[in-house]
Amino acid sequence: DSGVTQTPKHLITATGQRVTLRCSPRSGDLSVYWYQQSLDQGLQFLIQYYNGEERAKGNILERFSAQQFPDLHSELNLSSLELGDSALYFCASSPRDTIASYEQYFGPGTRLTVT
Amino acid sequence: AQSVTQLDSQVPVFEEAPVELRCNYSSSVSVYLFWYVQYPNQGLQLLLKYLSGSTLVESINGFEAEFNKSQTSFHLRKPSVHISDTAEYFCAVSRTGSNYKLTFGKGTLLTVNP
Repeated sequence: DSGVTQTPKHLITATGQRVTLRCSPRSGDLSVYWYQQSLDQGLQFLIQYYNGEERAKGNILERFSAQQFPDLHSELNLSSLELGDSALYFCASSPRDTIASYEQYFGPGTRLTVT
Repeated sequence: AQSVTQLDSQVPVFEEAPVELRCNYSSSVSVYLFWYVQYPNQGLQLLLKYLSGSTLVESINGFEAEFNKSQTSFHLRKPSVHISDTAEYFCAVSRTGSNYKLTFGKGTLLTVNP
């Protein structure tokens, strides 16, 4: 158990809908990262937040957005869903800004199926 | 930008045989290197990392990897595998500096057969 929790574990929804994925980082970790894992694209970095502020952006679609709240949990919002958005979405966390931040702890993931 | 190539998508081996999972990276700047393991239906776990110092790094369960800067490689090895090592293994790089995002390879599925 990494200490990172993600809810829900599974999500099935229809095209055009909007969903919210939730992540709680390890106690004390200030950084949260979101990754998407799909069969064709592999594991791709989406976005990073550090202590409530956006730190870095990767291959995140405009239909997707995220935020990190004062209690440090994070939510990833996916809207106007398409079949191709079906994937496993991972959240990871790491400590404050030191070399230790290169060690990321991953949650169990949320499997999103768009039908 | 960085990129990671894992040369084998699948590696089947017999129990107690040695194994090497290959990883090459490309980057114009200094990077840190990682191997993550994903067991079936689970999230990723850090297996080992190279940040600095000795180029040979070891994990607690017998895996080791060697950073070779001239060949831009970070191959993962184990002298004798167990059935329980069956998993997907991901090589990843992160640019040194303030952005800690990981760039992953496509993964190598290691299947250990009895």
